[in-house]
Formats: sequence, C-alpha cells, structure tokens
Amino acid sequence: ILNVEQSPQSLHVQEGDSTNFTCSFPSSNFYALHWYRWETAKSPEALFVMTLNGDEKKKGRISATLNTKEGYSYLYIKGSQPEDSATYLCASRTGTASKLTFGTGTRLQVTL
Amino acid sequence: GAGVSQSPRYKVAKRGQDVALRCDPISGHVSLFWYQQALGQGPEFLTYFQNEAQLDKSGLPSDRFFAERPEGSVSTLKIQRTQQEDSAVYLCASSLGAGRVNYGYTFGSGTRLTVV
Repeated sequence: ILNVEQSPQSLHVQEGDSTNFTCSFPSSNFYALHWYRWETAKSPEALFVMTLNGDEKKKGRISATLNTKEGYSYLYIKGSQPEDSATYLCASRTGTASKLTFGTGTRLQVTL
Repeated sequence: GAGVSQSPRYKVAKRGQDVALRCDPISGHVSLFWYQQALGQGPEFLTYFQNEAQLDKSGLPSDRFFAERPEGSVSTLKIQRTQQEDSAVYLCASSLGAGRVNYGYTFGSGTRLTVV
C-alpha cells in the first residue's frame, strides 16, 4: 500500500444497524493513524489518534482498532443513529513528517 | 479562540483574480497546516508551519500559491491568478505540538473557493 485507502466509499444503513469501515495505510515508517468525522458545513472533528499496534480506542458508540504490521484500521459504529451521518476520514503520519496523508473518506448515511 | 477560525467561509473569484484566505489557529498552537480538498477527494497537504517558519511547502501545486505566518499565529494562503482547477475547500489545521510530538490536529471549517 502506497497511499491511504478507505472502503467502502459510501454506506447507507438504517437506524440501529451496526457498521464498520476500513482504512489501509503504508505500514513502513508508520507513526500515527488519525480518524476524523466530518459533517457537511462543519469542521472535521477528531475521533482518535492511534499509534500502537493492537491499539483499540472507544468513544461512546464508536470504536477503532489498529494493525500497524499489515497497515489497516477498522472503525466501528454500534447502533447507528441519524446524527452519525457524516464522512469519516482516516489519515496517516509516517516517518518524521508532521503532515497527514488522508484517504478519500467513507460517506455514511443513517436513515430512520 | 476556542477553535480554528477560517475566513471567508465562501469565496467566488473570477479566473485570473488573486485571493487571500485567512486562518486563525488556536492560541499557543505551534504547528499550522493548510490542506486542499477537491470535490470527491480527501484533503491534500499543501504546506506546514512551525511557529513562523515554513518547514514544508512540498504540497503547493504551483508558484501561484504562497503561504505565510509572519508572527507565528495567523496564517494567510494566497493564490495568484486563480484558475478553475483551484476550486476546492481549503482547510487549515493547528496542533499544540511540533515534529515528533503526537498531538491531535484541530481543523477549521474551511474556505470553499469557487473560480468562475
């Protein structure tokens, strides 16, 4: 993997469904993996910063896991609500660079 | 301020016009980044400041793009002779730490630039 890739590109679920997305990133010179939630017309909201292989983080109904050896992270949302509708972005930091390299995002739509 | 503030929120420019986009980071944040997000894409890195020093400008797409942060706080991204391909959302982010320090990044709401 040379770039940060996210799948699926978009997802449409019903309220109450649980869902998950994938982020693949370059595993060499890995430093950190960031997840953001971005609602239309608002600023991207930081969800998690993950650095250690095997890391699991949780924030309410949202959780994330990290595998730095194979270069992937999963984001899980349990019991989706309409307010979870947003684009979920992941971004990696590698080596000594301070910049983030983003994926194209997963657009989630939760309907009643 | 409480968050990262960007202005204007929306800008429509005629092709060939110069524009200036402003970013007010969180007070005390050392690092400041500019990203460009074209429609259907993820944010792409443009440039990075640590205090007033521009340490990385490798993402600036052409010499029409120029960024500055003269006093280590407010930053301005200037685009000269705008072209249609410059139409995008320009995001600014700031971070308390610098270099290898692993702090989170706080983003502004962005400036949506449309070049007609």
